[in-house]
Amino acid sequence: KQEVTQIPAALSVPEGENLVLNCSFTDSAIYNLQWFRQDPGKGLTSLLLIQSSQREQTSGRLNASLDKSSGRSTLYIAASQPGDSATYLCAAAFRGNTPLVFGKGTRLSVIA
Amino acid sequence: GAVVSQHPSRVICKSGTSVKIECRSLDFQATTMFWYRQFPKQSLMLMATSNEGSKATYEQGVEKDKFLINHASLTLSTLTVTSAHPEDSSFYICSARERGGGKGYTEAFFGQGTRLTVV
Repeated sequence: KQEVTQIPAALSVPEGENLVLNCSFTDSAIYNLQWFRQDPGKGLTSLLLIQSSQREQTSGRLNASLDKSSGRSTLYIAASQPGDSATYLCAAAFRGNTPLVFGKGTRLSVIA
Repeated sequence: GAVVSQHPSRVICKSGTSVKIECRSLDFQATTMFWYRQFPKQSLMLMATSNEGSKATYEQGVEKDKFLINHASLTLSTLTVTSAHPEDSSFYICSARERGGGKGYTEAFFGQGTRLTVV
């Protein structure tokens, strides 16, 4: 069964810290992986997409890496801000046009 | 990025009535759309895959007669919750993936979600 796991489930950090969110997946034959942000009661905002042929993607203070051999992806957030507080979801596509399999998310709180 | 519009964002209905949720891809054609359900503080659970011009594929445990999905065009899919009950109250989100070059598919985009409350 293809599964996506995220740890930790919740994380609280002081403003300004760099932090890493972890995601692991059970099937190394991954097609692509996406990181999303979800604010309470809202939909999903796509942050970064990593294709299976890529090792990392960067957008502003965000950097996502992908290691297929170990079945892991990380989302690095530099210089965290209170506005970064949200739930971060990792999701994998294991074949081309198939639905994403989601992890349970990491709830991030950045304290001012 | 591509835009997926979901409507309504919030709806309250009485038990026994039906509610329709629309999902539109505004600037791309989506041959396939996905419908998810999310319980409070839980992750997204796939309900069904909606294919344009054909019947939807439902995940195990999802009642197809209760959650009617129609994908009439390349830009519109609808989810109708029939004879709604309070336990159907949830957050429903649709998703569509933009087709990339060749055989590839690019990132998935999500609607804003619909908060359904059945009273």
